[in-house]
Amino acid sequence: NAGVTQTPKFQVLKTGQSMTLQCAQDMNHEYMSWYRQDPGMGLRLIHYSVGAGITDQGEVPNGYNVSRSTTEDFPLRLLSAAPSQTSVYFCASRRDRVTDTQYFGPGTRLTVL
Amino acid sequence: AQSVTQLGSHVSVSEGALVLLRCNYSSSVPPYLFWYVQYPNQGLQLLLKYTSAATLVKGINGFEAEFKKSETSFHLTKPSAHMSDAAEYFCAVSPPGYSTLTFGKGTMLLVSP
Repeated sequence: NAGVTQTPKFQVLKTGQSMTLQCAQDMNHEYMSWYRQDPGMGLRLIHYSVGAGITDQGEVPNGYNVSRSTTEDFPLRLLSAAPSQTSVYFCASRRDRVTDTQYFGPGTRLTVL
Repeated sequence: AQSVTQLGSHVSVSEGALVLLRCNYSSSVPPYLFWYVQYPNQGLQLLLKYTSAATLVKGINGFEAEFKKSETSFHLTKPSAHMSDAAEYFCAVSPPGYSTLTFGKGTMLLVSP
């Protein structure tokens, strides 16, 4: 199993550009989520999904969109990038319940100029 | 709302010394609690979790944590630090009935020879 994969590893955007961060898992997990990690702030939840076709907002959803058309994929879209979205983004998945082990991808480092 | 506080953004120990990383939670009911580790330029990896069974939880790499309801704490310990333990450690909480995790801001563990 590849686990949780994320692409790209690094990305530089200009203010106002849009892009999609890709996340895929091959463990048939129902629950997937996106976090952003900023220095001194820990991880903050952006959006999450409890299954295909079902998504919900986390703590910091503004400026981001998600969809979950398949169990495997959970892309994160930045509609109009802003410097405040410069961060490291992590995708994670787990089988179902909150007590199931959550697996993290390697992260995408995004810089918005 | 649930939250976790990690006391100390940085903790320094000598190789072979006791490791103690502190985590206190705020929740109206005893929550599920987790410790994750992040090595440089990697995603997070689960160390251990408390799911209301035994209050003393053993994890990977010789780490353990004890749930103390009276102190609302879930401190992480390891009897003897190794150089390879140098990483950032995150405590996370989820009250029963919730599907999301709330992470603390992290503690960087530095291990000197």
